[in-house]
Amino acid sequence: GAGVSQSPSNKVTEKGKDVELRCDPISGHTALYWYRQSLGQGLEFLIYFQGNSAPDKSGLPSDRFSAERTGGSVSTLTIQRTQQEDSAVYLCASSSPTGGYSYNEQFFGPGTRLTVL
Amino acid sequence: AQSVTQLGSHVSVSEGALVLLRCNYSSSVPPYLFWYVQYPNQGLQLLLKYTSAATLVKGINGFEAEFKKSETSFHLTKPSAHMSDAAEYFCAVSAWGNNRLAFGKGNQVVVIP
Repeated sequence: GAGVSQSPSNKVTEKGKDVELRCDPISGHTALYWYRQSLGQGLEFLIYFQGNSAPDKSGLPSDRFSAERTGGSVSTLTIQRTQQEDSAVYLCASSSPTGGYSYNEQFFGPGTRLTVL
Repeated sequence: AQSVTQLGSHVSVSEGALVLLRCNYSSSVPPYLFWYVQYPNQGLQLLLKYTSAATLVKGINGFEAEFKKSETSFHLTKPSAHMSDAAEYFCAVSAWGNNRLAFGKGNQVVVIP
C-alpha cells in the first residue's frame, strides 16, 4: 500500500513569508508526528497528533509554528513569518493506534526541504 | 526525559569489514530503542527495535543490536559491510506509553571499496 507522502518535496521561500507543509499519513494510522531535521540541531520532535487532537505540541519552537489535522488524516504544518533558521527538512511520520505495552512503528515520509532565503 | 548519544558523526569502514555504531541512552523509565537508516533524499527506515523482549535484536539488511542495561548501550553491528550500507544511521529512544522519538545526532557511514 501507499506510504506516508509529503508535499511539496522542496520549498524555497523568502524571509517573512508564510509556508504550509502537507502530510498524508498511511490510511488507518491514527497517530501522526512532525519532526524537523536541520544541520545544527539534528532530528527534533515537533508535535504529535492522536486523531485530530494534539496532546503533545511541546516541540514547536515558537508561536510562528502551528499544525492541524482534519478528518483524522491529512495534517498541515504552517510556519508564519519564516526566518532563515527555519530552513530544514520537515519529516512526517504516522503509526497505527498507540498505547499500552506495545510500540507501534512510525513510518516516515520523504520529507519537505524548506529553504528560507 | 529520554536522550541518546552517538559519537563520531562520520564513520569510514572498508567493504567486508565490521560495522560498529555506538549508541548510549539515558532514560528514567524502561526505554524502547531503535535504529533508523536514512538514504540520500529519503525518509527514515526502521532497521530494528528493542521493546523489552530479547536483548539481542536482529534487523533488516544483516544488522543487529544488543541492549545492555548495565552499560545503557544499544550498539549497532553488521559483520561485513557492503557498499549499499553507505547511509546515515540514527539511534532513537522513546518511553513506554509515549511514542515520541528522541534521536541521536546520527552517523554518516562511508564504505570504502
